[in-house]
Amino acid sequence: LAKTTQPISMDSYEGQEVNITCSHNNIATNDYITWYQQFPSQGPRFIIQGYKTKVTNEVASLFIPADRKSSTLSLPRVSLSDTAVYYCLVASGVSSGSARQLTFGSGTQLTVLP
Amino acid sequence: NAGVTQTPKFRVLKTGQSMTLLCAQDMNHEYMYWYRQDPGMGLRLIHYSVGEGTTAKGEVPDGYNVSRLKKQNFLLGLESAAPSQTSVYFCASSSRAEYPSYEQYFGPGTRLTVT
Repeated sequence: LAKTTQPISMDSYEGQEVNITCSHNNIATNDYITWYQQFPSQGPRFIIQGYKTKVTNEVASLFIPADRKSSTLSLPRVSLSDTAVYYCLVASGVSSGSARQLTFGSGTQLTVLP
Repeated sequence: NAGVTQTPKFRVLKTGQSMTLLCAQDMNHEYMYWYRQDPGMGLRLIHYSVGEGTTAKGEVPDGYNVSRLKKQNFLLGLESAAPSQTSVYFCASSSRAEYPSYEQYFGPGTRLTVT
């Protein structure tokens, strides 16, 4: 699985848009990019996944350039409750019937300030 | 739906003792996983299962055994606990959908301390 690199920590203020960039230079053709959020003392929670271009859901957007060697998670208008660790993962595009394994890195600690 | 539940929530063991962690999911998911998370680090996969009666090793399987006798349950066993196994253990499950979805549903975790 491709190794990912993301900032250790980021600070933002309430109401701002936050962009967290992740690099994955060795991503393979069939790999997907996925992001998880984890609050203290809780299990991670899936945010979004994508393969190329832009994906948007009700909580975030994911931007993936054409070369797919990086991706950016965008959180619009963050609030204090968005303070958490955010993990960027490259997931192997295995065929159905196999477990879809995830490899977690150290993540980015996002702190939203009032 | 309760989602993914884990039993117990906390446990303290002495070195050499054994225990079993229970994970249950009510979403009819095919895949189930056990992870451990050490302080300040991401999760590491211990074992996983692609269906009832099947198990496979993950990244850090040594010192652990698993069983999946029923589709909804995934058990993680420590036969002889060591201080290095002090960690928070998370169970997760996911669906074997046609479209490659990487959404895993996690339980609340079990905090294990081995003295």
